[in-house]
Amino acid sequence: DGGITQSPKYLFRKEGQNVTLSCEQNLNHDAMYWYRQDPGQGLRLIYYSQIVNDFQKGDIAEGYSVSREKKESFPLTVTSAQKNPTAFYLCATRVLGGNQPQHFGDGTRLSIL
Amino acid sequence: KNEVEQSPQNLTAQEGEFITINCSYSVGISALHWLQQHPGGGIVSLFMLSSGKKKHGRLIATINIQEKHSSLHITASHPRDSAVYICAGLNQFYFGTGTSLTVIP
Repeated sequence: DGGITQSPKYLFRKEGQNVTLSCEQNLNHDAMYWYRQDPGQGLRLIYYSQIVNDFQKGDIAEGYSVSREKKESFPLTVTSAQKNPTAFYLCATRVLGGNQPQHFGDGTRLSIL
Repeated sequence: KNEVEQSPQNLTAQEGEFITINCSYSVGISALHWLQQHPGGGIVSLFMLSSGKKKHGRLIATINIQEKHSSLHITASHPRDSAVYICAGLNQFYFGTGTSLTVIP
C-alpha cells in the first residue's frame, strides 16, 4: 500500500539531546518536505529536497538538519540548537512538474521534557 | 502579514448547514491546494485547482486567480466534516493558518 510513514507518532526527549524523526515514502515521489506546525500558526517549511543528495533550507531551518541519501527517505534531526523544538512535525512528498498536490504523513508530535 | 489569509478562523455549524471557508492570497500562485486536517493531525488533500470550480461529493472549491481568492463550500454539513481546513499555494511554501470547523449534531 503506497504512502508516507512517519515514525514515531509521539516522541519525548530531554532538553539538550538531538532527536531524529523518520520519514519514509514508497510513492516514488521526487520531492520531500518537512514542516513544523504550532498552535494558531500555518505550516512552516523547515527543509525540502527535490533530488537525492540535495536539499534546501526553508523559512525556519535553524536548529534542524536533514539528509537525503536515498529517494525513499528524508530524516529530520532536531538538534539541541533548536530553541523551542516542541511542536508537531509533518513530512510531505510531491511529484515535481505540473500542478501536482502534496501528500502528507500522519506527523510526529515532539515534546521536550 | 501572512501571504495566505483564511476566514473565518473558527466556525461552528449545525448539521445540515451550508458552510463557506474563504482564502485570500497576496503571492502569485498558479494553483491552490485545499487540505483537511483531522484532530489526530494527519492531513488529507481535498482539491488542487488553478481555475474555475471543482466538486467532490458534498465539497465544492472555487478559485478566482485574478482576484486571488478561493472558497471551499460544504453542502449538507455533517459532524464528520469537523476538522481544520487549510489552503496553500501550489509551491506549498505558503499556508493559511487554517479554519477550525465544528459541526454539531
